[in-house]
Amino acid sequence: SQQGEEDPQALSIQEGENATMNCSYKTSINNLQWYRQNSGRGLVHLILIRSNEREKHSGRLRVTLDTSKKSSSLLITASRAADTASYFCATDDERGKLIFGQGTELSVKP
Amino acid sequence: SQTIHQWPATLVQPVGSPLSLECTVEGTSNPNLYWYRQAAGRGLQLLFYSVGIGQISSEVPQNLSASRPQDRQFILSSKKLLLSDSGFYLCAWSVVWGETQYFGPGTRLLVL
Repeated sequence: SQQGEEDPQALSIQEGENATMNCSYKTSINNLQWYRQNSGRGLVHLILIRSNEREKHSGRLRVTLDTSKKSSSLLITASRAADTASYFCATDDERGKLIFGQGTELSVKP
Repeated sequence: SQTIHQWPATLVQPVGSPLSLECTVEGTSNPNLYWYRQAAGRGLQLLFYSVGIGQISSEVPQNLSASRPQDRQFILSSKKLLLSDSGFYLCAWSVVWGETQYFGPGTRLLVL
């Protein structure tokens, strides 16, 4: 089954720097989503980007989608310590179920 | 506004004991409901989903079962827990199939 694979698995940056996480998947999709999970908590939806969209913004978040390369990136600008969390991409399979990747663990040091 | 509740937050159970985890959603009707399990440091594994009352689809063979006795209530059960059932269980709901899901706070289960 298709799966979003995040890269890198872990990322450590200083406050104020930008953080970029990538997601690759295997088969065609209708949409791709990014979620955030603080340690020990549930996931929080960040952005949904549809297959016919190339870029989407939400506050300090910027998501791009390249369907020809089957990849997406999540950029967090001017990161803050509160951005420390795990970030997951999720793609819909042929039946519409979401398949989550293993996540990128982001650490933002003050 | 919509809210999703899960309880208990933490559970420690002996091997072979039964399990019942409950999830309820408020503020919406006829949601799609999902149960996921997350092993430590890993992604989410979809266990069950439901598109309506009494409709349950299972994604992986295991000793867990799910039920949806009411429109906004989703229950995860087991008759006899295994050590491998330990993990973080997340309930989620969505309005549109295949799109945004809203997650509960999760239940951490430790089977000893």
